[in-house]
Amino acid sequence: GAGVSQSPSNKVTEKGKDVELRCDPISGHTALYWYRQSLGQGLEFLIYFQGNSAPDKSGLPSDRFSAERTGGSVSTLTIQRTQQEDSAVYLCASSLRSGGYNEQFFGPGTRLTVL
Amino acid sequence: AQTVTQSQPEMSVQEAETVTLSCTYDTSESDYYLFWYKQPPSRQMILVIRQEAYKQQNATENRFSVNFQKAAKSFSLKISDSQLGDAAMYFCAYQPNAGKSTFGDGTTLTVKP
Repeated sequence: GAGVSQSPSNKVTEKGKDVELRCDPISGHTALYWYRQSLGQGLEFLIYFQGNSAPDKSGLPSDRFSAERTGGSVSTLTIQRTQQEDSAVYLCASSLRSGGYNEQFFGPGTRLTVL
Repeated sequence: AQTVTQSQPEMSVQEAETVTLSCTYDTSESDYYLFWYKQPPSRQMILVIRQEAYKQQNATENRFSVNFQKAAKSFSLKISDSQLGDAAMYFCAYQPNAGKSTFGDGTTLTVKP
């Protein structure tokens, strides 16, 4: 009965480096979401996956951001050439499917600090 | 595009008192779902309560209840008998039948002992 897990929990990197953030959703959940949350702020939608459909990438802030979901399970969010404004908590959530009555189950987040 | 507005960035309540957090949304759909999520300090976001738009009866979960006014597109959360553990950031979310959710900017609730 594990929940959504994310790794690493904290990541400190230097400006210009690439980072990869991982999300393990709840088994059987077909929908997976990535959000960004700056300190004390709201959620900024980044991308979501629903089953085998093409992901909705409409929230990705720039082409430095990309995400993939392998085998309909684990997802990786990659940020290339990190900038200081990328510093935030990156949250992953999964649900049985997108929309409808289905609640989203959130992971603990990855706190990214770009120096 | 749907929008969700939480007009109260911060609210405070005395322990054991009642507080209401407001949320309004904009949509052209007639069938949708609304959620309140809670994000305690340094802890994971969890579901508090949800409401189907086609149901007229307001959802209730123990001390938490909603006032859903479909025509006014309003979905407020009432917390009765507030407890210290209710202190958190609360997010209102709109969810269509299929597709991604839209979240409000959140309301930070402080509970005073």
